[in-house]
Amino acid sequence: GENVEQHPSTLSVQEGDSAVIKCTYSDSASNYFPWYKQELGKRPQLIIDIRSNVGEKKDQRIAVTLNKTAKHFSLHITETQPEDSAVYFCAVTHPGAGSYQLTFGKGTKLSVIP
Amino acid sequence: DVKVTQSSRYLVKRTGEKVFLECVQDMDHENMFWYRQDPGLGLRLIYFSYDVKMKEKGDIPEGYSVSREKKERFSLILESASTNQTSMYLCASRPRDSGATWRYTFGSGTRLTVV
Repeated sequence: GENVEQHPSTLSVQEGDSAVIKCTYSDSASNYFPWYKQELGKRPQLIIDIRSNVGEKKDQRIAVTLNKTAKHFSLHITETQPEDSAVYFCAVTHPGAGSYQLTFGKGTKLSVIP
Repeated sequence: DVKVTQSSRYLVKRTGEKVFLECVQDMDHENMFWYRQDPGLGLRLIYFSYDVKMKEKGDIPEGYSVSREKKERFSLILESASTNQTSMYLCASRPRDSGATWRYTFGSGTRLTVV
């Protein structure tokens, strides 16, 4: 099955700095790559997603880049704010997966220090 | 906005009990999923369903079963609860692929403690 590696597991940044979280995947047929943010005690919420026919997508301070050849994708958060502190999960899915179920990375705990 | 509701926020059960976790969605989604979330392990897929009465095993189905008698409801069953099933359980749903979105919506989770 699909294997997703996510790094780092924890990340601390100063407010205003950028944060980058990286994920690698094993199945070259994977074609959908969402990122979820989970605040303490809350449900995971989709923050951005990208499909394999796109190399980069941006939404305000958040961007995702995809390198299909290398089979990795990254989440970039610029001008970090304390409310960005949360656990972030990457995920992948591919056409061969029944119902397009997602395989998740193990998560990155981001702490933004004021 | 899609709403996915899990019936219990916290549950405490005894070892050996049969446990039912309920999930209901209100947007007529075909696909529903059960994940468990453990620190350092992320979200792992237990079972999923792509239609009424249809079910498929995920990555960690041992010790669990599911039921989908109605489209809006997907139940996770622990036949005989054990302490290693203490975890946060998350339900999710998504529509059949229409080309518009493959996006999941998650419930708030049920934190189950087996003692």
